[in-house]
Amino acid sequence: KAGVTQTPRYLIKTRGQQVTLSCSPISGHRSVSWYQQTPGQGLQFLFEYFSETQRNKGNFPGRFSGRQFSNSRSEMNVSTLELGDSALYLCASSPDRANTGELFFGEGSRLTVL
Amino acid sequence: GENVEQHPSTLSVQEGDSAVIKCTYSDSASNYFPWYKQELGKRPQLIIDIRSNVGEKKDQRIAVTLNKTAKHFSLHITETQPEDSAVYFCAASKGAGGTSYGKLTFGQGTILTVHP
Repeated sequence: KAGVTQTPRYLIKTRGQQVTLSCSPISGHRSVSWYQQTPGQGLQFLFEYFSETQRNKGNFPGRFSGRQFSNSRSEMNVSTLELGDSALYLCASSPDRANTGELFFGEGSRLTVL
Repeated sequence: GENVEQHPSTLSVQEGDSAVIKCTYSDSASNYFPWYKQELGKRPQLIIDIRSNVGEKKDQRIAVTLNKTAKHFSLHITETQPEDSAVYFCAASKGAGGTSYGKLTFGQGTILTVHP
């Protein structure tokens, strides 16, 4: 079974631009979560989608948004990029069954904002 | 919201020694506590988890203990090996209560180095 796939793996943007990151979950997984990883703040929850609906949201500004499609693939968008948005963005999927809480992470999209 | 504190931030041990990482959480409603291992340049991977109705769980050389009253949980690794060197993250969520497992609050991470 293929793992969680994130694209692009690396990207460089300048301040003020916007970026869209994509995540394809493991087949059959309906829950997709996004996390931001930085050396200073660690792993921080951005949002979670389930059946095309945002189920949970972290404490990030409105510049960070996401969506999920009917095939469970998800995208996140960051508008008006700031230097502090430079980070590794991790997507994780889960089967969303009561007896298992494991999140399966992708390798991440490393965003550098200049 | 939930806050998870993790200590120590770095831990250096000799091969064969034991390693212990401790975490405290603030939200008494949290009921699911996973531990993730992230090797350099790789994705985080679940190594063990525990639910609030269990006090201890063991899987070979790895064990986790939970004290709900004190709101803290710990990871114990025995007979450490060089391949155990990685960053370890604890986390907490309310997922076991039927909401979702997708929203985790992570600790800041512990860099474990096992010297041969």
